[in-house]
Amino acid sequence: EVQLLESGGGLVQPGGSLRLSCAASGFTFTSSFISWVRQAPGKGLEWVSTISGSGGSTYYADSVKGRFTISKDNSKNTLYLQMNSLRAEDTAVYFCAKAPPGLRPGHWYFDLWGRGTLVTVSS
Amino acid sequence: EIVLTQSPGTLSLSPGERATLSCRASRSVSNNYLAWYQQKLGQAPRLLIYGTSTRATGIPDRFSGSGSGTDFTLTISRLEPEDFAVYYCQQYGTSPLTFGGGTKVEIK
Repeated sequence: EVQLLESGGGLVQPGGSLRLSCAASGFTFTSSFISWVRQAPGKGLEWVSTISGSGGSTYYADSVKGRFTISKDNSKNTLYLQMNSLRAEDTAVYFCAKAPPGLRPGHWYFDLWGRGTLVTVSS
Repeated sequence: EIVLTQSPGTLSLSPGERATLSCRASRSVSNNYLAWYQQKLGQAPRLLIYGTSTRATGIPDRFSGSGSGTDFTLTISRLEPEDFAVYYCQQYGTSPLTFGGGTKVEIK
C-alpha cells in the first residue's frame, strides 16, 4: 500500500527539541522530493521544508530556517524533521507529503499525504 | 511571497447544487502552477487538481479547475454528500510555496 505514516509528535516546552519521523511505503522513496507541511489548530496549511530524493538538497521556510533540519534515511525509507528552539507558534499538526516524480526544485505540489502528528509547544 | 486569498470563507449549499470556489493571488502565478486540495475533519489533505485544471488520479469529473494569472476557480458541478469539506489552493510557481486560507463547503 502506498502510504506515509508520521510519528514523534508530543508536548514540549518552549525552547525544547523534538524529532519527527515519517515512514514511507509503496513507492520509490528516492525518486521524489518529500516535504513537511504543518497546520496550526483551526488554521490553514504552511509549507515547512523539503528534501530531494537523494537527500542532497534541502529547502526551508524562513519561519523555521536555522531551527529545523530535514533529513532522510533511504535505507529505511524514512523522513525526519529535527526541530530545535521550539516556539509556541510551532504548535501544529505536521504532515509529510510527497511530490510526484520529475518536478523541478521549488515547484512542488503533493500527491500523497500522511495523517499527521501533533506537536504542542507549551509550558 | 505570493499571498493566496480564498473566497468565500464558507459556502453553504445543498447536495446536488453547484459550488464555485475562488482563489486570488497577490501576483501572477508562474506557469499557472496552482493546485487544489480537499481536507475533511481530522484527515490529511487530498490532491484534487494540479496545473490549474488537471484532475489528479481518481478524482471524479464533477471537479474542475480553471483560471490564469491571479484568478483561479474550483468548480464542483453537483455536490455529493462526501464533497462537504474544506478546500485549499496552493501555488507552486514561485518559492516559497504558499497555500490559501481555505473555503469550507458546508451543508445548508
